[in-house]
Amino acid sequence: DTAVSQTPKYLVTQMGNDKSIKCEQNLGHDTMYWYKQDSKKFLKIMFSYNNKELIINETVPNRFSPKSPDKAHLNLHINSLELGDSAVYFCASSRSTGGWGQPQHFGDGTRLSIL
Amino acid sequence: ILNVEQSPQSLHVQEGDSTNFTCSFPSSNFYALHWYRWETAKSPEALFVMTLNGDEKKKGRISATLNTKEGYSYLYIKGSQPEDSATYLCAFAGGTSYGKLTFGQGTILTVHP
Repeated sequence: DTAVSQTPKYLVTQMGNDKSIKCEQNLGHDTMYWYKQDSKKFLKIMFSYNNKELIINETVPNRFSPKSPDKAHLNLHINSLELGDSAVYFCASSRSTGGWGQPQHFGDGTRLSIL
Repeated sequence: ILNVEQSPQSLHVQEGDSTNFTCSFPSSNFYALHWYRWETAKSPEALFVMTLNGDEKKKGRISATLNTKEGYSYLYIKGSQPEDSATYLCAFAGGTSYGKLTFGQGTILTVHP
């Protein structure tokens, strides 16, 4: 059973469209994260939720909106997609707030390509 | 902006060689240092989380040390095997942004049979 699963794995879409990426974890963790892997391959935090509450919100365009319907799910909705949004997006989860002392468990990533 | 740097960027070794690489991070407001292994076409997998200065952790042939006063951690692999080929990421937890991990760029290790 996959611990952290993201869908879709690949997403190819036109500039200006709105799209969502879904993430689910079955580990019983209470904290979930979205990361963007940038062009230099760094993993950069975008958002973090603890028990459905937003706790980290990095400087991300407000076209990106996370939604956590329950603590096992954290979805990422992106409005008006731009060419610069092309990247690999990773979801992760951890046992305690912020994952400072707890390892994070990652999904396989969603490769978003904007045409 | 927190700086987390890893060196070298890439490393090629022969099977059976022992190797090590470095992660440098801020020495103030430290909380934890994470190491992850990231194999191609898979997701990053946690190796260690280290919180105490002088900490040493071991998992099979892989071990890590931590020096929080000078801001560095070493990852060692003893007797490298081809299946150790992966990108090794470190991530710093601390500073003023509660709960945020700042990742290094990674060291790409290739072990040749």
